[in-house]
Amino acid sequence: SQQGEEDPQALSIQEGENATMNCSYKTSINNLQWYRQNSGRGLVHLILIRSNEREKHSGRLRVTLDTSKKSSSLLITASRAADTASYFCATDARRSSASKIIFGSGTRLSIRP
Amino acid sequence: EPEVTQTPSHQVTQMGQEVILRCVPISNHLYFYWYRQILGQKVEFLVSFYNNEISEKSEIFDDQFSVERPDGSNFTLKIRSTKLEDSAMYFCASSGPLSSDTQYFGPGTRLTVL
Repeated sequence: SQQGEEDPQALSIQEGENATMNCSYKTSINNLQWYRQNSGRGLVHLILIRSNEREKHSGRLRVTLDTSKKSSSLLITASRAADTASYFCATDARRSSASKIIFGSGTRLSIRP
Repeated sequence: EPEVTQTPSHQVTQMGQEVILRCVPISNHLYFYWYRQILGQKVEFLVSFYNNEISEKSEIFDDQFSVERPDGSNFTLKIRSTKLEDSAMYFCASSGPLSSDTQYFGPGTRLTVL
């Protein structure tokens, strides 16, 4: 299986602190994406990093990708209460004409006020 | 900003009944997907669709499932005879014009099978 697995499963931090979530996967990929899901809601795309990229930034988000270690990390700086959600990495190892992304189990992030 | 829409937001049905879940992908996208998420579990890939045919399907996507793009805008998932274990959140996604582009997800349809 090439699924991504996030670590930790749950993370609780104080508002204003940084949150780091990690993702590991098993097979070669075309790209890796991070999504956020608020409880019972849809999946919001955060950032996509391609296999030939090592780091990407978007606002308070920083994603790294290490293809040699088959791992990625998502850093959220200066966390806010609104960041409370589950965060998933999703890997794309396209074999057919359309992509199929495989989701990990997610990290549940709680921001304490 | 364009977004994927799904209807209905919640569908309740009796076991054995047919359901059709509807999606309107982002208009210039070429690749379409269905995923599902059983409560408390991972998001699972069901099927991808490109050029009016199924590109790939998972082992979950058995003969009870079918997808269709009946016109230029809608993308549907039909479950012919629902089972209790089909209860889940079903997400539609689209991407394009390249397959490797970001997949954008709809808000989901919560299917409850009684």
